[in-house]
Amino acid sequence: EAQVTQNPRYLITVTGKKLTVTCSQNMNHEYMSWYRQDPGLGLRQIYYSMNVEVTDKGDVPEGYKVSRKEKRNFPLILESPSPNQTSLYFCASKGRSYSYEQYFGPGTRLTVT
Amino acid sequence: SQKIEQNSEALNIQEGKTATLTCNYTNYSPAYLQWYRQDPGRGPVFLLLIRENEKEKRKERLKVTFDTTLKQSLFHITASQPADSATYLCALDHNAGNMLTFGGGTRLMVKP
Repeated sequence: EAQVTQNPRYLITVTGKKLTVTCSQNMNHEYMSWYRQDPGLGLRQIYYSMNVEVTDKGDVPEGYKVSRKEKRNFPLILESPSPNQTSLYFCASKGRSYSYEQYFGPGTRLTVT
Repeated sequence: SQKIEQNSEALNIQEGKTATLTCNYTNYSPAYLQWYRQDPGRGPVFLLLIRENEKEKRKERLKVTFDTTLKQSLFHITASQPADSATYLCALDHNAGNMLTFGGGTRLMVKP
């Protein structure tokens, strides 16, 4: 089944403790992206990657890092999480960097205390 | 600054009626516009894409219009069903299609 998977689905952590949220897709997509969703603010793009070793900032990249060493994986790294990064995170992928729909993962609900 | 607006108030309609949702934008020149459906606690699911040179697109009970002069898209669901109840998001591309910006979404409730 074609899908985007994320792990973990739920995470509660403390301020400053480094964490990684993994994202993997099995559709051989070149493009992958991370979003966060907050009430009243909607979905906002954090980082995106057009292909292996190519990443770029979205609208809200502060406090996040990403890497794209393999085509199928695009982990999101929070080096020193803070409470304002408490949010619902979605990973997405699509076939080409230009045009066409994105396929979203199931989401990771992160709480930073 | 760039802005995408969807009606933040929930839309309540009776089963069988046509639901019409609005997406307005400013300071964008998108090549295409997309509509997604999102159920509570789940990731958005793609529904329809319409390009700037298309006026209308249909898929089963769904219809999308795109007016680049008015900077507006309308999303219609005909013969609505309770299963259509969800939040609907519009999204616009920018940065040569590498970035997608979403509106805040409109929650649709279809009552039996």
